[in-house]
Amino acid sequence: QKEVEQNSGPLSVPEGAIASLNCTYSDRGSQSFFWYRQYSGKSPELIMSIYSNGDKEDGRFTAQLNKASQYVSLLIRDSQPSDSATYLCAVKIYNQGGKLIFGQGTELSVKP
Amino acid sequence: DTGVSQNPRHKITKRGQNVTFRCDPISEHNRLYWYRQTLGQGPEFLTYFQNEAQLEKSRLLSDRFSAERPKGSFSTLEIQRTEQGDSAMYLCASSLPAGEKLFFGSGTQLSVL
Repeated sequence: QKEVEQNSGPLSVPEGAIASLNCTYSDRGSQSFFWYRQYSGKSPELIMSIYSNGDKEDGRFTAQLNKASQYVSLLIRDSQPSDSATYLCAVKIYNQGGKLIFGQGTELSVKP
Repeated sequence: DTGVSQNPRHKITKRGQNVTFRCDPISEHNRLYWYRQTLGQGPEFLTYFQNEAQLEKSRLLSDRFSAERPKGSFSTLEIQRTEQGDSAMYLCASSLPAGEKLFFGSGTQLSVL
């Protein structure tokens, strides 16, 4: 079982819709959770971080964390074509030092 | 530009040759990470440094790979006797001490023929 799993997609949504991206993780020692966005041919950039159960909102983005279910999600409201990218879920595990473990990424396509 | 800098951007080599990549982190960042990414996959952890100390190396990393950060500033990643399976994007990232936001460089795309 992979430590961090995501549906690879592609996920296609119409412009203006809500895009929902999901991620599960296997290690209950996971303590910090991140969503990175990666445009084609570019490097990943951090868009959200979440550390405690519940929701965290930043503009059109909402991260949701449920540690009991070992599940983290990212919602993108009012999706725009410029949101089309691969979204990477990353987890920092308490007893594994400072590194982040990444999922395989979900490709999102927002159609005008 | 004060971001993470990686050189070269692209490297084409023949199987069996050695290659070396360089990463210059953001100046005040004492943590430096190397990741490898292939098409359709997320970044795979290779190794990381805190200052000049290499704190962890992935157990999946063969002995052909070695990384250094001699003065706690820039880092080099060397791959000896390259194989076609080494073809990938090699990403460097840096962060503040105990910082959790990683800043990535543009990567070095390696193609082994």
